[in-house]
Amino acid sequence: GEDVEQSLFLSVREGDSSVINCTYTDSSSTYLYWYKQEPGAGLQLLTYIFSNMDMKQDQRLTVLLNKKDKHLSLRIADTQTGDSAIYFCAETLPPDKLIFGTGTRLQVFP
Amino acid sequence: KAGVTQTPRYLIKTRGQQVTLSCSPISGHRSVSWYQQTPGQGLQFLFEYFSETQRNKGNFPGRFSGRQFSNSRSEMNVSTLELGDSALYLCASSLVSGVDEQYFGPGTRLTVT
Repeated sequence: GEDVEQSLFLSVREGDSSVINCTYTDSSSTYLYWYKQEPGAGLQLLTYIFSNMDMKQDQRLTVLLNKKDKHLSLRIADTQTGDSAIYFCAETLPPDKLIFGTGTRLQVFP
Repeated sequence: KAGVTQTPRYLIKTRGQQVTLSCSPISGHRSVSWYQQTPGQGLQFLFEYFSETQRNKGNFPGRFSGRQFSNSRSEMNVSTLELGDSALYLCASSLVSGVDEQYFGPGTRLTVT
């Protein structure tokens, strides 16, 4: 099927690290993405990883990819209240379709 | 560079009516994708257009249709509206492919009563 799974909710204290997990479906996905959606807004691309990589770091963001388990994670270091949003992972399905996960609502409290 | 714009931002329709939503991509982007976002189903892919041709289609009934114009602007149409069509409709543009980096518009919130 085309179900990309994410846990629904994550709550962290400001300054801690957040880890958002995603299980995707197609081992042939070439790119995997992380998007952020703030209330009342569209989606904003945060970062992406190519399928031949295991890890990608971009400032406070670290993406880990385990192709064997079809598992993708996004780690946000030093989480801030402005990071509170819904985070979506997305995989590419051939030929050119982007399938989004169910979304994880991240709540950061002081 | 202006971002992706969608009009209208909010819309209220009654069952049985039809609706047309508009999306203007980022200048130079040729691919436009449409998504439906609901609390129950999450973000669902509707279709993708490139050079005025529908290139990919999701699993939605024929009541959902779209088109793209020569300037890459796109419209989507929903006929015979049902209560379950109430959703946030998001449009995204990318340079060439539907899986290139996509830039999303703010969405059109459609409420069907």
